[in-house]
Amino acid sequence: DAGVIQSPRHEVTEMGQEVTLRCKPISGHNSLFWYRQTMMRGLELLIYFNNNVPIDDSGMPEDRFSAKMPNASFSTLKIQPSEPRDSAVYFCASSSIRAGANVLTFGAGSRLTVL
Amino acid sequence: AQKVTQAQTEISVVEKEDVTLDCVYETRDTTYYLFWYKQPPSGELVFLIRRNSFDEQNEISGRYSWNFQKSTSSFNFTITASQVVDSAVYFCALSDFYSSASKIIFGSGTRLSIRP
Repeated sequence: DAGVIQSPRHEVTEMGQEVTLRCKPISGHNSLFWYRQTMMRGLELLIYFNNNVPIDDSGMPEDRFSAKMPNASFSTLKIQPSEPRDSAVYFCASSSIRAGANVLTFGAGSRLTVL
Repeated sequence: AQKVTQAQTEISVVEKEDVTLDCVYETRDTTYYLFWYKQPPSGELVFLIRRNSFDEQNEISGRYSWNFQKSTSSFNFTITASQVVDSAVYFCALSDFYSSASKIIFGSGTRLSIRP
């Protein structure tokens, strides 16, 4: 298996632009998580899905952030409009009961820089 | 509310020394999972271990060992005979036990540097 695949790996954009981050979980994993990592705030859970349904989005910073999981093999995290304080590494992770309850497999991350 | 505290922000030791990374957690749940993850300089987070709250046996895997003490809400991680390749940021994490998909909360991490 190729693991959790995230794209793009790096994104540099200007304030006000829309940013879309993509994630393909491991096939067969039914839970998907989006985390954000910054020096100041560490690893923050933004949102997670179970069987494509959002379970908890209380970590989403504000309405500029939205996440979708239209099917079991794809999820997006969108920021519109982006701001410099959104600069961070965004990680997607997936898990399944079969692979070990709550054991996360992380993607390589998407490093976002908003100028 | 759940919380994970890693009080050691950075640790630096000389190769071959033993080093212990501390993790203290808070939860109202009586059953839960605890985890350790490693983030090497490449940036990707790698799972190391999961323990459930009703199994307090210590675990050893090669040079790595974990000490879980429910009485003190601690889940400490020891690396014996450290090596330069152990240099990374290490995260402790906590989740509940019964949900099919749980909120997994991470500590702030401990940056470990092993000097040759």
